[in-house]
Formats: sequence, structure tokens, C-alpha cells
Amino acid sequence: AQTVTQSQPEMSVQEAETVTLSCTYDTSESNYYLFWYKQPPSRQMILVIRQEAYKQQNATENRFSVNFQKAAKSFSLKISDSQLGDTAMYFCAFWTDRGSTLGRLYFGRGTQLTVWP
Amino acid sequence: SAVISQKPSRDICQRGTSLTIQCQVDSQVTMMFWYRQQPGQSLTLIATANQGSEATYESGFVIDKFPISRPNLTFSTLTVSNMSPEDSSIYLCSVAESRNSPLHFGNGTRLTVT
Repeated sequence: AQTVTQSQPEMSVQEAETVTLSCTYDTSESNYYLFWYKQPPSRQMILVIRQEAYKQQNATENRFSVNFQKAAKSFSLKISDSQLGDTAMYFCAFWTDRGSTLGRLYFGRGTQLTVWP
Repeated sequence: SAVISQKPSRDICQRGTSLTIQCQVDSQVTMMFWYRQQPGQSLTLIATANQGSEATYESGFVIDKFPISRPNLTFSTLTVSNMSPEDSSIYLCSVAESRNSPLHFGNGTRLTVT
């Protein structure tokens, strides 16, 4: 079974500082994808960043970057130069193609990030 | 990425009634899914909506309670039947344009059952 664990229910950071959100996962699959989604109070789920397991290079999207450690099954999200608009619930998610046309997204329980002015 | 329109955005319903939620995508997508997010919780997959055939339900979810339709590659509906207060949740439609594409989500439907 696939599981995703986010051990930090809440985190806070001051504006312009850097924060890292942790995520670990467990799977026996060899081909998979990892994602970070953010959900602001508007409840819209927004894709932040994506990492393919077969790629060794860590994904980067502007102020967002990941530290993907495949052997350790770790996938942390670093937010640089934090902004007030980054305040949201952040979900780590795991996707596996089960060899058919079906796949599913496994979510962690989320980390509530608050950015303070 | 695909633009997803989900309706209604919110509703308050009485116990025992049913609500149908619509999900419209502006382009053809390979996969469509329905998720539930209970208050303060993470997202749980209800089912995969299959075009032209019966949906594939996850453990704990049944067709009689959550009938799903997907008549084409751009549209799906989820019905929450015989509602109880325990069904109060956010229901989200999500789509993947291809097998290896990331999932994108609609804005969700906030359902309150009284």
C-alpha cells in the first residue's frame, strides 16, 4: 500500500524568510510521481510543483523547490522569500500508474503554513 | 492546463435528499476523479469516473450512495444520495489530461447537510 506522511501539522514563517515542509512516503512501485499542492482558504487545490521519480534532478518552480531523496523516500518542499499569499494548507501527494488506464493520487494529511508580516 | 468548472460551489441540503454535482472541463481529458474532503481532513478518493462505463469505486464508497456518470470526455456528475449530516464535506472533481499528467482540481462544492 502507498502511504504519504506529513509530520508537521502546522508551521509558521515570517515574510521573506525560507521554510521547509517535510514529506515522506512509502511505496513498492518503481515508477511514480510526487506533488505538492496548496489549498488556500478559497479551497481551490493548486498544483505547486511536480517531481518524476526517475529524475534525479530536483524540481524547481520560481520560489518553490524540492529536495527529493528517493532512497530515503523523502520529498520536502522549500519555499524561499515567503509571501503572505503563501499562507495555505500544503498537501504532499503521490501518484502511481497501476499499469492500466487508472491511477490514483494519495495525499498526506497536510501542513498548515502561516506566513506572518 | 484544463479549466474545470464545478457546480454548485456550495449548497445546504436537508437530510434524506440528494444533490448532483457537475464537473465540466474545457477540453477532453483521459481521467476524471471525484474526491471528498471532510472538515479539517485530507482528500479521499471516492471513485474514478470512466467514460461510457460504470465508475470504479474505492473501498468504503458504493454506487448506490454516490452514483457517478461520465457521458463523454469533458463532463461528469457525482450524486450524493439520501444525505445525512456525515456527508457534509467538500467534494472535488479532478482531471488528468493524460496518463502521466498531474491532476488539476475544480473549485470544489461545499455541501452542508442539516
